[in-house]
Amino acid sequence: AQSVTQPDIHITVSEGASLELRCNYSYGATPYLFWYVQSPGQGLQLLLKYFSGDTLVQGIKGFEAEFKRSQSSFNLRKPSVHWSDAAEYFCAVGAGNTDKLIFGTGTRLQVFP
Amino acid sequence: DAMVIQNPRYQVTQFGKPVTLSCSQTLNHNVMYWYQQKSSQAPKLLFHYYDKDFNNEADTPDNFQSRRPNTSFCFLDIRSPGLGDAAMYLCATSRAREGIRNQPQHFGDGTRLSIL
Repeated sequence: AQSVTQPDIHITVSEGASLELRCNYSYGATPYLFWYVQSPGQGLQLLLKYFSGDTLVQGIKGFEAEFKRSQSSFNLRKPSVHWSDAAEYFCAVGAGNTDKLIFGTGTRLQVFP
Repeated sequence: DAMVIQNPRYQVTQFGKPVTLSCSQTLNHNVMYWYQQKSSQAPKLLFHYYDKDFNNEADTPDNFQSRRPNTSFCFLDIRSPGLGDAAMYLCATSRAREGIRNQPQHFGDGTRLSIL
């Protein structure tokens, strides 16, 4: 069965520092992978997606993610974090031919000035 | 802008009193989803519609039902809300086509439901 693991429940970084949020998935075939961000009291916003092709994916708000099949990972990165990036981040994998997503448990990002 | 709209943003109901949450979309997407999200947790899928076909998750309580009268609207009905049903309810949409599945989901801002 497909699954997604986000090992870090909570991450704190200083504004301007680089960021990497970890995501590991379990899926037999080529996965459809997503990163979503959720600000307090709001819905989820799609940051980026990987379906196929180039393993380095660019997203909105300066985020990127790299698909590494050998490590079953899809880590999210940003070179310089802004205070407005403080939010909850969810990694998700498309659940086969079902149009459903399997979410990780999320990583809460806190940014200090 | 095309979007997913949920009304109301905040809903308060009494224990056991039926409540309906609504979702509308201008994206013309054929798949609509309802999620329940509790504090500090990932969204939990309750059910989804693929066009008019209703797909219930195995662990969704019978207390939760849904209606989709047309492409644009979808409703979540909670027949007898209990204290454990207090949560954020998120609606999402996606465009799925035969052979092209797992498309990105677009979320509304949610309805936060409180039970008195």
